[in-house]
Amino acid sequence: AQSVTQPDIHITVSEGASLELRCNYSYGATPYLFWYVQSPGQGLQLLLKYFSGDTLVQGIKGFEAEFKRSQSSFNLRKPSVHWSDAAEYFCAVVPLGGGYNKLIFGAGTRLAVHP
Amino acid sequence: DGGITQSPKYLFRKEGQNVTLSCEQNLNHDAMYWYRQDPGQGLRLIYYSQIVNDFQKGDIAEGYSVSREKKESFPLTVTSAQKNPTAFYLCASSPVREGRHQPQHFGDGTRLSIL
Repeated sequence: AQSVTQPDIHITVSEGASLELRCNYSYGATPYLFWYVQSPGQGLQLLLKYFSGDTLVQGIKGFEAEFKRSQSSFNLRKPSVHWSDAAEYFCAVVPLGGGYNKLIFGAGTRLAVHP
Repeated sequence: DGGITQSPKYLFRKEGQNVTLSCEQNLNHDAMYWYRQDPGQGLRLIYYSQIVNDFQKGDIAEGYSVSREKKESFPLTVTSAQKNPTAFYLCASSPVREGRHQPQHFGDGTRLSIL
C-alpha cells in the first residue's frame, strides 16, 4: 500500500546534540518529498522540499535532508539542536499523478530537547 | 503582511449542532485546503478547492461541507453528521501552476471540542 512512514513517534535529544528524523515512503515512482515543522497550537511551516536533482537538500533553520532512492527514505538532519527546535515534525509527499498539490502526511515525530 | 487567518482559535460544539470554521487568505492564492489533525495520525485532507465556485472531496469529507464563493475565503462547516469532530483543523492555501507542485501555506488552526 502507498504510505509515508515516520517510525519514531517521540525523540528526545540534548541541546547541542545532532538530530536525525526518519521518513520512508512506499510509492511506485519517487514522489515529491517535504518536511514540515509544527510548534504547539500552530500551523505548519515548510522546512525543505525535494523534487529532483541534488539528493542533499538544504532548508531553513539549519536543517537538511537526504534523499536515498535505494532506501525510499528522506531523513531530516540537523548537526546541533537548539531548544527552540522542540516541535512536531512531519514528512509529506506529493505522489506523481495524484494531483500536483495533494499532500500526504506521515504521522509525525515529536521532538523534545533537554537543556 | 500576507497570510492565512483562521477563526476562532478555539470552538466548542454541542451535540447535534453545526459549526462553521472560518479561513481567510490575502495571498492571492487560487487553491485552498482543509485538513484535520488528530494525535498520532498526521494531517488528513477534508476538502480542497482550486478555483472559486468549485471544490473537491478529500480523503475524509463525510460529515463536512465547504463553500468557495470568494477567492479569499473557504469556510468549513462541521455538521451534526460528523460523529467525532474533536480535532485540530488546519486551513492552507497555495498558488496553482499547471504541471508543478506549489508549496502550501498554513494558518494557525482551530481547535474544535465537543461539550
